[in-house]
Order: sequence, then structure tokens, then C-alpha cells
Amino acid sequence: SQKIEQNSEALNIQEGKTATLTCNYTNYSPAYLQWYRQDPGRGPVFLLLIRENEKEKRKERLKVTFDTTLKQSLFHITASQPADSATYLCALDPPPGNTGKLIFGQGTTLQVKP
Amino acid sequence: DTGVSQDPRHKITKRGQNVTFRCDPISEHNRLYWYRQTLGQGPEFLTYFQNEAQLEKSRLLSDRFSAERPKGSFSTLEIQRTEQGDSAMYLCASSLEGAGAGRGTQYFGPGTRLLVL
Repeated sequence: SQKIEQNSEALNIQEGKTATLTCNYTNYSPAYLQWYRQDPGRGPVFLLLIRENEKEKRKERLKVTFDTTLKQSLFHITASQPADSATYLCALDPPPGNTGKLIFGQGTTLQVKP
Repeated sequence: DTGVSQDPRHKITKRGQNVTFRCDPISEHNRLYWYRQTLGQGPEFLTYFQNEAQLEKSRLLSDRFSAERPKGSFSTLEIQRTEQGDSAMYLCASSLEGAGAGRGTQYFGPGTRLLVL
């Protein structure tokens, strides 16, 4: 079955630095991969979606890459701020696809220190 | 606020009792999903609807769990004879089906946190 692995250890960085979070998956490559942000006690909030034919996608200070050879997605936050502190989840839609039945990683908690 | 809403936000119950949660999706969204999330884990898919039809249920969804979306709008998730292992955050999400920019993105509600004593 499809599995997603995110770094379970919290990532602590200094304000202004770039945070890089990793998402690795097994088995098949999905048609697209999504990244969500989740704050404590809240539901996930959609951030970015990247398709298999896209190598990179950007949105303001966020950048996502998708390497189907390595079966990996990287999520970058540049010029990080304390307000970026949250848990970040990656998710994909297993075959046959387009069901929206997302499989999530366990999330990586980011702590940005002022 | 036109986002996804869930009610109640918190529920404490005793083992063996039945509980029911409600989810109101974004009005024009035709898909509705239920997920369960435990501490330190990502959400796990439970079931989803397209309009009023329940299209798939996870193996996680035992016979004690039932979900409905009677008119293709709001949905309810009922857990009968609750067990301590049911304690979790229950998340609802909705989306507009189909490919294309913005379609398929899931919008989550705030969740219902269940504690079974």
C-alpha cells in the first residue's frame, strides 16, 4: 500500500532562514501531491498542489518541488517568520486517482524562533 | 463565513454511548470527506460522498460507524457504542470535483474532538 514519510522530528530554525521539509512516498507516483498547514486544534489548510509534470511550483514565500524519480517532494519556506510555526502535512491521492481520498504523512512541526 | 463548519467542536462521552457529529460543507461543493486524526499523526481517510452517494468507506470504519449525507448538503457521522480507541479529532472536508486549477482542493473544517472516557 502507498505510504508517505515525513520527518517526524520537529524542525527548529531562526527567523529569516529558509525552512525545508521533506516528503517521501513509496510505490507508485501520484498524479499530484498537496501540502497543507495545520495549527494546533485546527483543521488542515491547503497551501499548494503540484502535478507530476511540474518540477516546481511557487506561491509567495513558498516553493514546492516534485521529483518522481526520487519519489520525493520538498517544501521550502523562504524568509521564515515566527508566524510560519505550525505542522506541515503532505498528502497524495492514491489510484485510481481523482477520488480525493487523500493519504497524509504524519506531518513535520516547524518552529521558527525570533 | 462560508467555510466548512462542524458541530460540536468538542464532545466528551462515556464508553458505550452513541455520538453524532455534523458537518456543513462549502455550499457549492459536491464532495464531502470524513477523516480521523490522532495526536502526532496525519488525518486518516474514513469515507467520502459525492452529492448524496457514499462512494467509499475505509476499512478503518467499523460497523459501529455510519455516515449519511441525505440531501447532498450537510453530513452526519454517528459512532455507536463508543470505545476509548475512538478518541480522536474527526475532520470533515469538502471539495468541488474535477480537474483544473482549484478544483479538487479539499477545504477542512475545524474538527470535532472526541474524548471517550
